Amino acid sequence: DSGVTQTPKHLITATGQRVTLRCSPRSGDLSVYWYQQSLDQGLQFLIQYYNGEERAKGNILERFSAQQFPDLHSELNLSSLELGDSALYFCASSVESSGWGQFFGPGTRLTVL
Amino acid sequence: DQQVKQNSPSLSVQEGRISILNCDYTNSMFDYFLWYKKYPAEGPTFLISISSIKDKNEDGRFTVFLNKSAKHLSLHIVPSQPGDSAVYFCAASSGGYQKVTFGTGTKLQVIP
Repeated sequence: DSGVTQTPKHLITATGQRVTLRCSPRSGDLSVYWYQQSLDQGLQFLIQYYNGEERAKGNILERFSAQQFPDLHSELNLSSLELGDSALYFCASSVESSGWGQFFGPGTRLTVL
Repeated sequence: DQQVKQNSPSLSVQEGRISILNCDYTNSMFDYFLWYKKYPAEGPTFLISISSIKDKNEDGRFTVFLNKSAKHLSLHIVPSQPGDSAVYFCAASSGGYQKVTFGTGTKLQVIP
């Protein structure tokens, strides 16, 4: 158990819909990262927040957005969903004292039908 | 543009022998490197890291070697155990907290 929680575990929805994925980081971690892992793909970095502020952006589509709240939990919003958005979405958290090793949650499996 | 490459998609090793997983990178700005292990249906687990000021870091059965001139790092697992069977990702970042770039992973199978 990494200490990072993600909800829901599974999500099935239709094209064109909007979903919200939630992440609670480890206690004390200020950084939250979001990743997408599609079938046979590596982890694609989407976005990072540090203490409520966006810190780095990766290959995140304009249809996707995220935020980190004052209690440090984060949400990833995916809108106008397409079939190709079906993937595992991981959240990770880290703190400098860990050597920036990121601790990953169990992931949310999104299926777009 | 794949800045972190793991050219071997899979590797099989006998239990007790050494497992060597390789990773190459192209971005000379990377100064921090990490290895993760991932079991099916779970998130990746941080294993070991190394900064660019070192060429070796050891933690138990796991050792990471960094060759900056070749832009190459490797993870050695000695001795390999069946429980080590998983997908291993290498990752790199510049400046620590900046975005981390992951490789595509190598699936390690340790045969009892």
